[in-house]
Amino acid sequence: AQTVTQSQPEMSVQEAETVTLSCTYDTSENNYYLFWYKQPPSRQMILVIRQEAYKQQNATENRFSVNFQKAAKSFSLKISDSQLGDTAMYFCAFMGPRGGNQFYFGTGTSLTVIP
Amino acid sequence: DVKVTQSSRYLVKRTGEKVFLECVQDMDHENMFWYRQDPGLGLRLIYFSYDVKMKEKGDIPEGYSVSREKKERFSLILESASTNQTSMYLCASSLTSVAYNEQFFGPGTRLTVL
Repeated sequence: AQTVTQSQPEMSVQEAETVTLSCTYDTSENNYYLFWYKQPPSRQMILVIRQEAYKQQNATENRFSVNFQKAAKSFSLKISDSQLGDTAMYFCAFMGPRGGNQFYFGTGTSLTVIP
Repeated sequence: DVKVTQSSRYLVKRTGEKVFLECVQDMDHENMFWYRQDPGLGLRLIYFSYDVKMKEKGDIPEGYSVSREKKERFSLILESASTNQTSMYLCASSLTSVAYNEQFFGPGTRLTVL
């Protein structure tokens, strides 16, 4: 099985500041997808951003961007201009090329945005 | 928008009871998944299904079974609930196995086994 590691169980950031959440993974595959999911308190998990491993350009979605370092097997999430609504649990996920669209999730980072 | 619904948000059962958790998706997705989410452990895959009547074990299938009689519905069954199955259960679906597709999640069922 693939392993996904999120080494920061909890983080906090001041409103309007920038924060980076770390994620590393272990795989022998060359083609794969990486995802960041957000789970707000008592709410549904939603996709924040995804990155295809064959693309060198880092993905961006509004205030969210990633720093994808394929050789280092690192996939960090940067949140700019943090907002109170960004308070959530964030999960990094890996999907390999073999059957079933099976995901492997990290243990999550709980982010709190402080007013 | 894809909608994944789960039959209950909160459920309290007693040890030894048979428990059914239901999940329904409305976008004709081929793949459906059951995870359990525990603090410090993230999401762990219990079972998944890539077609009607098909199922595959995930990382922690022990103590669970699943049923997929219709494409839109995927049920998780705890044959004899135990206290160590107290957890948050998340259902997810994705379009197809042919290409890379994101997973869409339901709101979760918080199960407490007394």
